Amino acid sequence: QLQLQESGPGLVKPSETLSLTCTVSGGSISSSSYYWGWIRQPPGKGLEWIGSIYYSGSTYYNPSLKSRVTISVDTSKNQFSLKLSSVTAADTAVYYCARLSINATPDPWGQGTLVTVSS
Amino acid sequence: SSELTQDPAVSVALGQTVRITCQGDSLRSYYASWYQQKPGQAPVLVIYGKNNRPSGIPDRFSGSSSGNTASLTITGAQAEDEADYYCNSRDSSGNPVFGGGTKLTVL
Repeated sequence: QLQLQESGPGLVKPSETLSLTCTVSGGSISSSSYYWGWIRQPPGKGLEWIGSIYYSGSTYYNPSLKSRVTISVDTSKNQFSLKLSSVTAADTAVYYCARLSINATPDPWGQGTLVTVSS
Repeated sequence: SSELTQDPAVSVALGQTVRITCQGDSLRSYYASWYQQKPGQAPVLVIYGKNNRPSGIPDRFSGSSSGNTASLTITGAQAEDEADYYCNSRDSSGNPVFGGGTKLTVL
């Protein structure tokens, strides 16, 4: 059974860079049938797609975040990572990683990790 | 437009049928998927494709689509169905887009 687990700091200072890693277990990140993505949810609000990556390294970003986002993949570790630069309080959210089908359907999801931006 | 629009809140009496809708131009071309999210938990896929349920999802959940509107129907709503529901589809670039979510209350 495929499982995803997010890891990284839960507190980031304003203007700094948020860094998270998603570890995939129970399956290979090198599958040609899927993408891997990051989705976030501010407290009490809805879901926002951040970006996706294919195992080859091709990336796709939400235009509203594109200037600040970098997603990378490490197939040797079965992991992919998110970096979001110049964070503000508006970036405080639960960050989820997920596998995405070619139809852009995320499933399964990681349990999520709360990242708070505060000094 | 790649936006998906959902009613913020819907209620249903225990055991009755409820329909949660999602509107958007992309739904004319692509199916919606539906997620159930309970407090403090990650979203769980309940419907995908034309009307497919992942393993373990009760058959009281079903999906349908017409024009620019996708619907999630719960036939015989149970107390445990109280949750937030999100629709998801893809935009013209093939990237995910989500609706704003519907809070379902089971009375």
